Amino acid sequence: AQSVAQPEDQVNVAEGNPLTVKCTYSVSGNPYLFWYVQYPNRGLQFLLKYITGDNLVKGSYGFEAEFNKSQTSFHLKKPSALVSDSALYFCAVISQRAGANNLFFGTGTRLTVIP
Amino acid sequence: NAGVTQTPKFRVLKTGQSMTLLCAQDMNHEYMYWYRQDPGMGLRLIHYSVGEGTTAKGEVPDGYNVSRLKKQNFLLGLESAAPSQTSVYFCASSHPQGANEQFFGPGTRLTVL
Repeated sequence: AQSVAQPEDQVNVAEGNPLTVKCTYSVSGNPYLFWYVQYPNRGLQFLLKYITGDNLVKGSYGFEAEFNKSQTSFHLKKPSALVSDSALYFCAVISQRAGANNLFFGTGTRLTVIP
Repeated sequence: NAGVTQTPKFRVLKTGQSMTLLCAQDMNHEYMYWYRQDPGMGLRLIHYSVGEGTTAKGEVPDGYNVSRLKKQNFLLGLESAAPSQTSVYFCASSHPQGANEQFFGPGTRLTVL
């Protein structure tokens, strides 16, 4: 069975400080991993994905994520947070064996960047 | 490109009423999805389609029906709305392979009284 855990409902960080939003996953076989961001009253927007290869993935708006197979984690990071990064972040996973309809989402982490 | 669009943006129904949500995409994607988003529960897949004329059940299909008569459109129907169907509904589309990201519409906020 596939699942995604985002252990923190809320993350607060001061503007200019580094941020981390945590994600761990469980999947049969090798995973495809995704991060999406949702701004208020908007749909989800794709940030980045891990397919294969380099464990450090770079995405939109200066975000990056590190795939760690031994810890089954895919934490989202940014070196210097902006107030405009405040949003709801979702991690998602799909087994490479599964069809595209089997994307599982975490429950989301609300990031607040404090000026 | 408009991407993925959804109509309506908001709707209030009374229990027992029916309605249809429309999703349209202009990216020539084969796959389309309907999700619902509830507080603290992330997104849950209602139904999906892997191509024109085909539909399949997702994680939470009860109380909903769908149709994909044209490749670019995916309709979600509520035959007899219930308060438990109060939610935000998102449509998404993608190319077939699981490695491809999904593109989401702006959502429809539905309240069932």
